[in-house]
Amino acid sequence: DQQVKQNSPSLSVQEGRISILNCDYTNSMFDYFLWYKKYPAEGPTFLISISSIKDKNEDGRFTVFLNKSAKHLSLHIVPSQPGDSAVYFCAASLFGNEKLTFGTGTRLTIIP
Amino acid sequence: DTGVSQDPRHKITKRGQNVTFRCDPISEHNRLYWYRQTLGQGPEFLTYFQNEAQLEKSRLLSDRFSAERPKGSFSTLEIQRTEQGDSAMYLCASSPGTGGGNEKLFFGSGTQLSVL
Repeated sequence: DQQVKQNSPSLSVQEGRISILNCDYTNSMFDYFLWYKKYPAEGPTFLISISSIKDKNEDGRFTVFLNKSAKHLSLHIVPSQPGDSAVYFCAASLFGNEKLTFGTGTRLTIIP
Repeated sequence: DTGVSQDPRHKITKRGQNVTFRCDPISEHNRLYWYRQTLGQGPEFLTYFQNEAQLEKSRLLSDRFSAERPKGSFSTLEIQRTEQGDSAMYLCASSPGTGGGNEKLFFGSGTQLSVL
């Protein structure tokens, strides 16, 4: 039972344009959502998060949007840079429990 | 400020052998997690500790797997009688674990296990 889904295994975007990565979840009890970035042979690195009481959170070039009614979140990266090429994982946790449930990841490739 | 450290980075073993991995969390982090990641999948939760107490184990953690965190500091994950299906990246993560929820996990670089 995949509670967190990333339906796009890969995405290619031109340098300087906007990258939009999507994530859907099925468990309405999730209340904290995170995006992690992973380079080959390294562990995931935290990127940005959002609580269920918000619908948007920004950090520099990265913005996460949460639509609770649709059980959908997205990560926007603008402008995209070559160093953004990596696998991006969406993750979610329940209230009071830091255990994360991860999606299957989206491989983002930024084309110079 | 050191991050989460895992040792070894790579382990190649023959089917049927036992292996043990070590994780050193960020100092003063109370919670320590083990995850497993296979190709094309996201990290899957295995188990976690609050200090030295193992509070939750996934059904993915068969009887051949055992994890410990003596004294609430470093942790070890042992796999007995390894099988080819155990080949994966084993990730360790830690968090402050202050109990307020909404904490991010800090991951180590992982141990890549290959069972031949």
